[in-house]
Amino acid sequence: GQQVMQIPQYQHVQEGEDFTTYCNSSTTLSNIQWYKQRPGGHPVFLIQLVKSGEVKKQKRLTFQFGEAKKNSSLHITATQTTDVGTYFCAGSGGYQKVTFGTGTKLQVIP
Amino acid sequence: EPEVTQTPSHQVTQMGQEVILRCVPISNHLYFYWYRQILGQKVEFLVSFYNNEISEKSEIFDDQFSVERPDGSNFTLKIRSTKLEDSAMYFCASTTGVSNQPQHFGDGTRLSIL
Repeated sequence: GQQVMQIPQYQHVQEGEDFTTYCNSSTTLSNIQWYKQRPGGHPVFLIQLVKSGEVKKQKRLTFQFGEAKKNSSLHITATQTTDVGTYFCAGSGGYQKVTFGTGTKLQVIP
Repeated sequence: EPEVTQTPSHQVTQMGQEVILRCVPISNHLYFYWYRQILGQKVEFLVSFYNNEISEKSEIFDDQFSVERPDGSNFTLKIRSTKLEDSAMYFCASTTGVSNQPQHFGDGTRLSIL
């Protein structure tokens, strides 16, 4: 079945440093979604990318979908303590099931 | 903004007992899902439900699990005879089904099997 892996598994950064998580799927994706899960919370939808090579920005967050639609990345510029959480990428969407990636847990040190 | 609501927030049950987790999806949504997340692990798909029937299920969703939409608003997950390894957070999600619309997740039910 489809597998979605993320690296790194954990990342500790000093506040103000940048952070990037990478997502790789074993199969080509129709779209990719990114979610953030705060400790003790539920996954919260951040964004969806659909087109090959697509890049989207949300304030300090930049999301990219690979040309082959098998990989994606999330980059956070100048991290803040509010960025703490686990970031999941997920394949498919819409009415189809979401296959979550393994997640990257981000810890920001003040 | 409309939300997916789940009850209870925490359920403690003896091993072997039946448990029912409840969800109220967003009212105009047509597709419903259950996911689970074992502590510290990724979110795993269990089952999707559309038009009063299961549309897809994972290998985790065995004969011990069932889902039901007993009325126009509730969507339930039943685990018939719970096992220790069923301890996890269970998330309900719903979506309109329109292309490129995201799934909305509830706050989850923490299930603890003793």
